[in-house]
Amino acid sequence: EAGVTQFPSHSVIEKGQTVTLRCDPISGHDNLYWYRRVMGKEIKFLLHFVKESKQDESGMPNNRFLAERTGGTYSTLKVQPAELEDSGVYFCASSQDSRELGEQYFGPGTRLTVT
Amino acid sequence: RKEVEQDPGPFNVPEGATVAFNCTYSNSASQSFFWYRQDCRKEPKLLMSVYSSGNEDGRFTAQLNRASQYISLLIRDSKLSDSATYLCVVNINNAGNMLTFGGGTRLMVKP
Repeated sequence: EAGVTQFPSHSVIEKGQTVTLRCDPISGHDNLYWYRRVMGKEIKFLLHFVKESKQDESGMPNNRFLAERTGGTYSTLKVQPAELEDSGVYFCASSQDSRELGEQYFGPGTRLTVT
Repeated sequence: RKEVEQDPGPFNVPEGATVAFNCTYSNSASQSFFWYRQDCRKEPKLLMSVYSSGNEDGRFTAQLNRASQYISLLIRDSKLSDSATYLCVVNINNAGNMLTFGGGTRLMVKP
């Protein structure tokens, strides 16, 4: 069974540009999460989808970040315009059942560098 | 104060040694507790859940003390392959499934 996949694995963009990250969860997983780790800090929650609906977006840092999950399959996270402090590793995770608290499977991450 | 605190290490131990990591969490309403393992430049992977009664999985033993808001992980007979960062993770949000991560404890097992 394929795990969570993320694209691209690395992205280097200039401040002010737009970047879109993609996440494909494990097939059949209704729950999809975005997290990120900025340099020197712990991994932080961004948001949680259940199918196509945003269940919790309390971790989104500001309105430059837009996450979508049209059709309840893959998800995209767009950063527009990117700022230097957005640099970090963006992880996507999925789980089959939100009652299985914590059983989240992580993708390999997208390493974003904003210059 | 961070919601989940860990000693960042590194812990440098010889093969075969026993090593213990600790973690404290600030929110007494926390519901679920986990240890994740993260290899360098890789994604976190669930190592084990932590239950109030304590639980063991092979060489790994996890303990939870709700009164002290303290979680531990014990690794016996350390292997070179145990070298990684160990992340203490707590599910704080009762209504949702948001995971809160500690900063991680780095373990290096030497031959």
